[in-house]
Amino acid sequence: SQELEQSPQSLIVQEGKNLTINCTSSKTLYGLYWYKQKYGEGLIFLMMLQKGGEEKSHEKITAKLDEKKQQSSLHITASQPSHAGIYLCGADSGGTSYGKLTFGQGTILTVHP
Amino acid sequence: DAMVIQNPRYQVTQFGKPVTLSCSQTLNHNVMYWYQQKSSQAPKLLFHYYDKDFNNEADTPDNFQSRRPNTSFCFLDIRSPGLGDAAMYLCAAGQGGYGYTFGSGTRLTVV
Repeated sequence: SQELEQSPQSLIVQEGKNLTINCTSSKTLYGLYWYKQKYGEGLIFLMMLQKGGEEKSHEKITAKLDEKKQQSSLHITASQPSHAGIYLCGADSGGTSYGKLTFGQGTILTVHP
Repeated sequence: DAMVIQNPRYQVTQFGKPVTLSCSQTLNHNVMYWYQQKSSQAPKLLFHYYDKDFNNEADTPDNFQSRRPNTSFCFLDIRSPGLGDAAMYLCAAGQGGYGYTFGSGTRLTVV
């Protein structure tokens, strides 16, 4: 089965600082998803990466998938308190019809104003 | 907006008393998933439906069952909840190439 390891497990930054969260897979990724979760709430979709070397950005968040498709990073520029939460990467097992997501253990982000 | 809706947001049940959690989707995706997330842990897949085909994960306890009467609705039944079943239960809908959309979750408390 696919295993995902996220680092760091937790991160505390001052508002305005940049930060990076990493997600490493034991196998080649078919697809890699990033979600954000506020405590006690559901998962909010951030980005999906499927191609080696792919990079996507939305507002101040950029996600990359390496060429070998085994590692992804999530970078937040000029962090704000609204970025605080738990960030989860998920590996997609699937093919053309459908797949299943397996998650990393999550990274808890705290942003101090 | 197309979405996945879970009811209720919070559910309190008694030890051993059957409980049902509900999920509906307006995306018309053919796959629906149920995940269990315990405190400070990653979501763990319990089972999923591809159309009407039920697929159980190997380590999902028999205490957990699911029903999907139609494309839009999927239910999670816990036959005899124990204290260890207290968790956030997340429902998701998916379809090849469209990704996975999650609901807001139901937080289950067992007393």
